[in-house]
Amino acid sequence: DVKVTQSSRYLVKRTGEKVFLECVQDMDHENMFWYRQDPGLGLRLIYFSYDVKMKEKGDIPEGYSVSREKKERFSLILESASTNQTSMYLCASGVLVGFNEQFFGPGTRLTVL
Amino acid sequence: AQTVTQSQPEMSVQEAETVTLSCTYDTSESDYYLFWYKQPPSRQMILVIRQEAYKQQNATENRFSVNFQKAAKSFSLKISDSQLGDAAMYFCAYRSALMIKAAGNKLTFGGGTRVLVKP
Repeated sequence: DVKVTQSSRYLVKRTGEKVFLECVQDMDHENMFWYRQDPGLGLRLIYFSYDVKMKEKGDIPEGYSVSREKKERFSLILESASTNQTSMYLCASGVLVGFNEQFFGPGTRLTVL
Repeated sequence: AQTVTQSQPEMSVQEAETVTLSCTYDTSESDYYLFWYKQPPSRQMILVIRQEAYKQQNATENRFSVNFQKAAKSFSLKISDSQLGDAAMYFCAYRSALMIKAAGNKLTFGGGTRVLVKP
């Protein structure tokens, strides 16, 4: 079974703090993604990576950065957390080739006070 | 840019009955993929069913089936014989069929529909 894990299920941080969310997948997938999930808005893509050290902006990259130093690991970084970044963050992984699905992690619910 | 719209924020169904979730999308591409994902409460998102746009035949997975109307850009999900375990958020998603590495295989999601199943 494909497994995508995220470092925390729940996280509470203060405004201005630097926040790291980590995602690990065990299926040797080329692509990894960070989404943000908000009620009524569905999932919105923040960043994705199609290879080690490669990254592309998604639809809402402002206020976020990412790092992919190893194929299995994709980190989302909030340089200076703000209250409007309170949300559920979902990581996913998948392969480029073919008619394939993305596999999702359990999510991290981040609250910024 | 593609957009995906789910017009029903919440749907309620009696156990053993059928419910249909609607999804419309906007794209200028002719080849693409469509997905329905399920997110149970406090559990991971999983794929329910998928459809390739160039296939006219509607996809079916056990009690789940889709009605894909390409010209109308509509992709509804029917859940038959609803069970308590079907209660979840359901998301419709679109992906381009273009295999461009830098584009990844990113998905565009709708806003979701919460399905409640009454015993």
